Amino acid sequence: DVKVTQSSRYLVKRTGEKVFLECVQDMDHENMFWYRQDPGLGLRLIYFSYDVKMKEKGDIPEGYSVSREKKERFSLILESASTNQTSMYLCASSGSRASTGFFGPGTRLTVL
Amino acid sequence: QQQVKQSPQSLIVQKGGISIINCAYENTAFDYFPWYQQFPGKGPALLIAIRPDVSEKKEGRFTISFNKSAKQFSLHIMDSQPGDSATYFCAATHYSGGYQKVTFGTGTKLQVIP
Repeated sequence: DVKVTQSSRYLVKRTGEKVFLECVQDMDHENMFWYRQDPGLGLRLIYFSYDVKMKEKGDIPEGYSVSREKKERFSLILESASTNQTSMYLCASSGSRASTGFFGPGTRLTVL
Repeated sequence: QQQVKQSPQSLIVQKGGISIINCAYENTAFDYFPWYQQFPGKGPALLIAIRPDVSEKKEGRFTISFNKSAKQFSLHIMDSQPGDSATYFCAATHYSGGYQKVTFGTGTKLQVIP
């Protein structure tokens, strides 16, 4: 059974804090993605990675960075969290150069 | 820029009825059109998908209708059940910069009432 896990289901942080969101997949997929989901806006791609130590900007990368040191793990970093980054964050992975794939359960981040 | 427009935003359907969700796109480079189903507390899961060279694809109670000339596609859920209550996203993909990119619609929250 394929699995994408995210380190936290709910997270509350203060403005200015550094935030790490972790994602792990057990399918040996090359490709991993970070999206944010907001009501009325659907899913928007933040960053993606097609290989270890490789990253590409998505549609809304501002205020975020990522790290992929191992094939199975893809981290999203908010260097200095702001209230407009309050959102649901979804990680996904896929085994081909397609962005459609398997999603994790999401992390609901609240920045106060 | 919203490249995939989805409607309605929410939908209430009686059990046994037909649920219809519509999407429209502008970019003619899109070459694959998946639909995702998301239950509360879960990530989206691929439900059904279609390529633009066919006009319809059916999987069980779920059917995608595709109109290439109108640049529209829709999801029909026949004999809707309370267990179908979820948020549905349409999407469209195309290759850009060597990678396949996905553009999602804004989502439709479906509630099927007994």
